[in-house]
Amino acid sequence: DAGVTQSPTHLIKTRGQQVTLRCSPKSGHDTVSWYQQALGQGPQFIFQYYEEEERQRGNFPDRFSGHQFPNYSSELNVNALLLGDSALYLCASSLAGGRGRYTEAFFGQGTRLTVV
Amino acid sequence: DQQVKQNSPSLSVQEGRISILNCDYTNSMFDYFLWYKKYPAEGPTFLISISSIKDKNEDGRFTVFLNKSAKHLSLHIVPSQPGDSAVYFCAALSVWSGGSNYKLTFGKGTLLTVNP
Repeated sequence: DAGVTQSPTHLIKTRGQQVTLRCSPKSGHDTVSWYQQALGQGPQFIFQYYEEEERQRGNFPDRFSGHQFPNYSSELNVNALLLGDSALYLCASSLAGGRGRYTEAFFGQGTRLTVV
Repeated sequence: DQQVKQNSPSLSVQEGRISILNCDYTNSMFDYFLWYKKYPAEGPTFLISISSIKDKNEDGRFTVFLNKSAKHLSLHIVPSQPGDSAVYFCAALSVWSGGSNYKLTFGKGTLLTVNP
């Protein structure tokens, strides 16, 4: 079991550009969440996808968007990049689907995005 | 508005002694509290959790205590080992829709160093 995999591991972009980050969830998991971890901070919730729909969203602008595919993998897109978007972007997967209780979320190693 | 606070950025202990990591929260509606451990260049790894209706949960060397009246939880590691050196994040979990929607709110983390 490969666990949660994210690509790429590192990325450098210029202000104003657009970026797409990818996440493959742990085998058997159907829910994917994205988090942004700025330097010296804890991870901040961006949004969560389940059944190919955005189910919950944190306090992030519309420049941040996502998608979940039928195989449960997910993409995070950020448009009009700002210097402040430089951070580690983490993907977490879990199994939900109305089980009535929380199941453990597994995190990927993250994508380090640097905006210059 | 930080709903989960870890006020100690770092903690240093001797091998074999107890490590106590602290966390405070402001929202009484959180359903679970979790501790994650993070090594450099890796994603957070789930360590231990506690339901909001419990006051203690133990797993091997790790014990989490929850004081609901004080809105405070702590992680005890006994005995501490050099391999425990990592950043520890306290996280609070909110769950909706029978478990299919959830959100983790993280503290800023505490860097634990266990000296041989």
